[in-house]
Amino acid sequence: EVQLVQSGAEVKKPGESLKISCKGSGYSFTNYWIGWVRQMPGKGLEWMGIIYPDDSDTRYSPSFQGQVTISADKSISTAYLQWSSLKASDTAIYYCAKHGAQLWIDYWGQGTLVTVSS
Amino acid sequence: EIVLTQSPATLSLSPGERGTLSCRASQSVGNYLAWYQQRPGQAPRLLIYDASNRATGVPARFSGSGSGTDFTLTISSLEPGDFAIYYCQQRSKWPPLTFGGGTRVEIK
Repeated sequence: EVQLVQSGAEVKKPGESLKISCKGSGYSFTNYWIGWVRQMPGKGLEWMGIIYPDDSDTRYSPSFQGQVTISADKSISTAYLQWSSLKASDTAIYYCAKHGAQLWIDYWGQGTLVTVSS
Repeated sequence: EIVLTQSPATLSLSPGERGTLSCRASQSVGNYLAWYQQRPGQAPRLLIYDASNRATGVPARFSGSGSGTDFTLTISSLEPGDFAIYYCQQRSKWPPLTFGGGTRVEIK
């Protein structure tokens, strides 16, 4: 059974750094793109970017390029999303998303709520 | 970047009624379009891929059609669990793999 288990909710202050994680299991982690989708409070889905764990090839949405870093550690089947300096506007639920062979998102994590507030 | 526009924003229907949701792309995406369902408090799930193929486990009352720039998701007879938000997504030209803004299907 494919599972994506994300790290727990975070409460941070503006300017702080953060790294959240997503551990994949039940499939060949290195051979499928995995990435992140943002959902701001009461809003729609925004695709942020993906990484191919086998070679760390990473693609970002232009909207998120330079704002976040996506990485993966294939030795522990875990993907990461990190910020160097959080803003209040980063408050959202972040979903980890496994992309299938044709890039459709076939499995989702449970979501990680990130709250940034002074 | 390809923009996907979904309509209507909200669809008010009764259980048993037929629902028709639209997704229009700013340029042709061929048949590279998917639909996702998001129930309140849950992660989205894939319903339809490549415009008309149902994902594993998706009931036959869900069907997708269209190609190029105009796509439709049809729910033939709404059941209580179908009242949710539906998003379309394209993979024709990426990054990004853009989503539409969503259509909320609510109980009338």
